[in-house]
Amino acid sequence: ETGVTQTPRHLVMGMTNKKSLKCEQHLGHNAMYWYKQSAKKPLELMFVYNFKEQTENNSVPSRFSPECPNSSHLFLHLHTLQPEDSALYLCASSHEQVYVYGYTFGSGTRLTVV
Amino acid sequence: GENVEQHPSTLSVQEGDSAVIKCTYSDSASNYFPWYKQELGKRPQLIIDIRSNVGEKKDQRIAVTLNKTAKHFSLHITETQPEDSAVYFCAASNEGGADGLTFGKGTHLIIQP
Repeated sequence: ETGVTQTPRHLVMGMTNKKSLKCEQHLGHNAMYWYKQSAKKPLELMFVYNFKEQTENNSVPSRFSPECPNSSHLFLHLHTLQPEDSALYLCASSHEQVYVYGYTFGSGTRLTVV
Repeated sequence: GENVEQHPSTLSVQEGDSAVIKCTYSDSASNYFPWYKQELGKRPQLIIDIRSNVGEKKDQRIAVTLNKTAKHFSLHITETQPEDSAVYFCAASNEGGADGLTFGKGTHLIIQP
């Protein structure tokens, strides 16, 4: 266990469903990130939060909605997804100065949209 | 925004030989360059990083070099071993990291016995 926990590990959802991914870290980090990893476009940055404030939204469709209630928790709310959204969703955290130990990644949520 | 290009996409080397993976970046403001290793079915893990105030950094069999003028950096693995087989990602950002790391597309390194 690296200190970044993601749940669930696997998720299958229909295109009309609403679900949420959860990420939790107890490393004392103040920055948290969502990345999408798929076979064709590995490790795409989706959202960045620093001290609970969103500092980056990398042109992500509105069917993905992030939430960061505190520096230890990050959520990704999903609704009306498309089959092309099937991918591994990775959460990461870091010191606010990223060069301090770099990112710590979670194990990811493998999402399948049917 | 930043754009990171990584080559090759696949690299096969004989066990014991050296492997080199190269990356270029576009944003001259970037000054932090980490490398991550991702084994099959596992999370990416940081293996080495370099900041722009140095040109080379070594950690046992792994080294990274940086050429800020040309905006490229490379990962060197010497005396490769079977456990080095994985996908390697380079990345770039400014040290503040407020805009997140931009990753290359990855290199699948295969160590042939």
